[in-house]
Amino acid sequence: QVQLVQSGAEVKKPGASVKVSCKASGYTFTSYYMHWVRQAPGQGLEWMGIINPSGGSTSYAQKFQGRVTMTRDTSTSTVYMELSSLRSEDTAVYYCARDRGVVTAIGAFDIWGQGTMVTVSS
Amino acid sequence: QSALTQPASVSGSPGQSITISCTGTSSDVGGYNYVSWYQQHPGKAPKLMIYEVSNRPSGVPDRFSGSKSGNTASLTISGLQAEDEADYYCSSYTSSSTLCYVFGTGTKVTVL
Repeated sequence: QVQLVQSGAEVKKPGASVKVSCKASGYTFTSYYMHWVRQAPGQGLEWMGIINPSGGSTSYAQKFQGRVTMTRDTSTSTVYMELSSLRSEDTAVYYCARDRGVVTAIGAFDIWGQGTMVTVSS
Repeated sequence: QSALTQPASVSGSPGQSITISCTGTSSDVGGYNYVSWYQQHPGKAPKLMIYEVSNRPSGVPDRFSGSKSGNTASLTISGLQAEDEADYYCSSYTSSSTLCYVFGTGTKVTVL
């Protein structure tokens, strides 16, 4: 079945970096854009960026520009999200989510990973 | 770019209909038909309920419907059921220079 499986929870100190993985299965990896969305405890959803698994092109929310890097490995059907210079406000659940649009993104996130809790604490 | 505006909470009795609004601008909700709605139960990942304003993915009950008028999109739940109690978020493509997609502030739906 179509699914996204993310890496496990992380605890990081302020200033460190974290890299979260998201392994796709059950569909043609390169045909669907992938988004990253985060949710701080008790808060709403926040869009972070998008990657085209086919060519690797990315677009990031300005809020995260310079701190976030999204990459993909087509050989393992995995996308990665790395966030650097972590601060306490980055404590959140990070989700990868597939865009439903085939070849083109339509902003409909139809398959979600289980989420990865990232805790930033000294 | 601010989040799209949703009411903090909406409630209804079983069998009733409720509507959740999602207000943006002509740069997002009003300018594009890339409006989606998500249901999120506590501790779970969000679930896509409506995409492209009014389309339902397979498996989503037809009690859920979406529409748009001007800069405001709406999600209507007809025949409210206990399992519909959850948080709901809208999202939209945006032509803002600061990001591509924006979520709503979220609405807690309570079934009385």
